[in-house]
Parts: sequence; C-alpha cells; structure tokens
Amino acid sequence: DVKVTQSSRYLVKRTGEKVFLECVQDMDHENMFWYRQDPGLGLRLIYFSYDVKMKEKGDIPEGYSVSREKKERFSLILESASTNQTSMYLCASSFNKGWDEKLFFGSGTQLSVL
Amino acid sequence: GDSVTQMEGPVTLSEEAFLTINCTYTATGYPSLFWYVQYPGEGLQLLLKATKADDKGSNKGFEATYRKETTSFHLEKGSVQVSDSAVYFCALTGNQFYFGTGTSLTVIP
Repeated sequence: DVKVTQSSRYLVKRTGEKVFLECVQDMDHENMFWYRQDPGLGLRLIYFSYDVKMKEKGDIPEGYSVSREKKERFSLILESASTNQTSMYLCASSFNKGWDEKLFFGSGTQLSVL
Repeated sequence: GDSVTQMEGPVTLSEEAFLTINCTYTATGYPSLFWYVQYPGEGLQLLLKATKADDKGSNKGFEATYRKETTSFHLEKGSVQVSDSAVYFCALTGNQFYFGTGTSLTVIP
C-alpha cells in the first residue's frame, strides 16, 4: 500500500517562528499536495507540485512556501508563523497529472501557533 | 467556479439504521465525483468514485450515484455499523480537487 508519512502528528510553535512540515511518499508518485483542514471550511489547497522543483499555488498560498528537491519529499514552510495558521495540515500524493487520480493522504499534522 | 455542498453534521445514528449524506455540486464540464472518509486520527482515504453521469460507485456497503440532472452525489448505506463512525467528504475534480466541508457521523450501538 502507498504510504504518505508526515513527520509530526502534533506541533506547537510560537508566533514569528519559521516552521517546516515534512511529507514523504514511498510510491514514486508524480504529484504532491498540501491542504489545510479547518472546521466548517473543509480542505483547502495551499500548494501542489507536479514534479521535482516544480510548484503551483493553490487557493490559499499566502504565508506559505514549499520545496520539492526530491520526488518523494514535499515540504511546507511557514516563513513566519501566525496564530491564524493554527490548523490541521494534510499532505497528499497521486500517481499522475490527471485530476481524476485517487489521492493518498498522510495522517496530518495538527499545528498550534501560540 | 466549481464547488461542492454537503449536508451539515453532525449526524448520529443507531447501529443498523439507514444512512444518507447529501452532496450537491456546481461544475463546468464533466467532473468526476468522489467520497472520501476520515477515521479518527487518520488522513482521508478514498471510499468510492464515479466518473460520468449515471455511474454508481460502491464500496464497503456504501453507494452513491452520479446524477447530472440534479447535480447530486448522495452517499447511502443500508445498515450502518459502529465502525462507520468517521467524517465523510464529498469531492469533485475540475482543475483541481474541490472538497465539501465534511459530515461527521457517529453510530451508537
């Protein structure tokens, strides 16, 4: 089975800190995604990547950046964390560029910014 | 733009009750439709999908039919179990995945 692993289940950071969320997938998937999940808002796409060193903005990229130096790893970076970035962050991957492809999700990182 | 609207939760049912979770969509073109499920402490996983009008997706006793005339993709199960307690997300693909807000289901013995 495909495994998408997120490095931390829970994370507590201070306002203004630089935060790195790491995601690794083990099935050679082309596409990787970062979503945030908030009650009443569902999942919102932050960034996605079709290939190494490529990135595309999603619906809510402000305050975030990403890095994909290797195919299996996709990092989400909060340059200067703010309290409104407290959320559950979900990483996902899929096999090819078609948007009909099934998404495989990690278990999520619950980030609290104090 | 493309969007998905699903019924508000939470939903609480007794074991063996019938389940319906409503989902309607707005889309240009001909999207594929999905139901994802999120069990406590886990990420989302695909439950079922349908790629064209009148297709029925099914898995683990759950079913949903792609209705173009009513722009709906309602999730149904004839007899729920305690193990079905989870959050259910309706989704569609346009130029990206669009997810509904999620419906929390609790099944009590």
